[in-house]
Amino acid sequence: DTAVSQTPKYLVTQMGNDKSIKCEQNLGHDTMYWYKQDSKKFLKIMFSYNNKELIINETVPNRFSPKSPDKAHLNLHINSLELGDSAVYFCASSQKLRDRLFSGELFFGEGSRLTVL
Amino acid sequence: TQLLEQSPQFLSIQEGENLTVYCNSSSVFSSLQWYRQEPGEGPVLLVTVVTGGEVKKLKRLTFQFGDARKDSSLHITAAQPGDTGLYLCAGAVDRGSTLGRLYFGRGTQLTVWP
Repeated sequence: DTAVSQTPKYLVTQMGNDKSIKCEQNLGHDTMYWYKQDSKKFLKIMFSYNNKELIINETVPNRFSPKSPDKAHLNLHINSLELGDSAVYFCASSQKLRDRLFSGELFFGEGSRLTVL
Repeated sequence: TQLLEQSPQFLSIQEGENLTVYCNSSSVFSSLQWYRQEPGEGPVLLVTVVTGGEVKKLKRLTFQFGDARKDSSLHITAAQPGDTGLYLCAGAVDRGSTLGRLYFGRGTQLTVWP
């Protein structure tokens, strides 16, 4: 069983469209994340949820909206896609933050490669 | 502003050679991790270092955390083609508005030729 799974793995769409990426983890972790990896392989955090509560919201355009229906799922919806949104988006999870301090390791999904034409 | 500077960005070596990858910052980290990422996959944790001066070994890989907890290095002895991949360092800065954040370096792409 895959620990952190995301769908779809590949997404090709036109500029201006709306798309969603789904993520599920079966590790029993309380904390989930969305990271963006650009063409130069730089990984940058976008959002973090701890037990369905948004705790990290980096400087990300409002067009990006995360949703966590339960602690095992964290989805990412992107409105009005732009060329610059093309990247690989990684979902990750980690054990519960202790006193909001990061600890443990991040378990990443395989990534969702988004290409905006 | 890039919190963690990794060097070199690219490394291409022959099988059997030794190499060192560096991760430097002006910030102090509560912990630092090294991940390895292969094409089409997500990063996978190799090691976490927490104490200044700490050295950890994982087979042919040796990880060191600087005394001041601002830098780290990864040394690979007798590299093999299977070591090929993107090596990422990541630091946790647990203070103020950065609570819970893990900052990644830009990575070192290692290619080991047979």
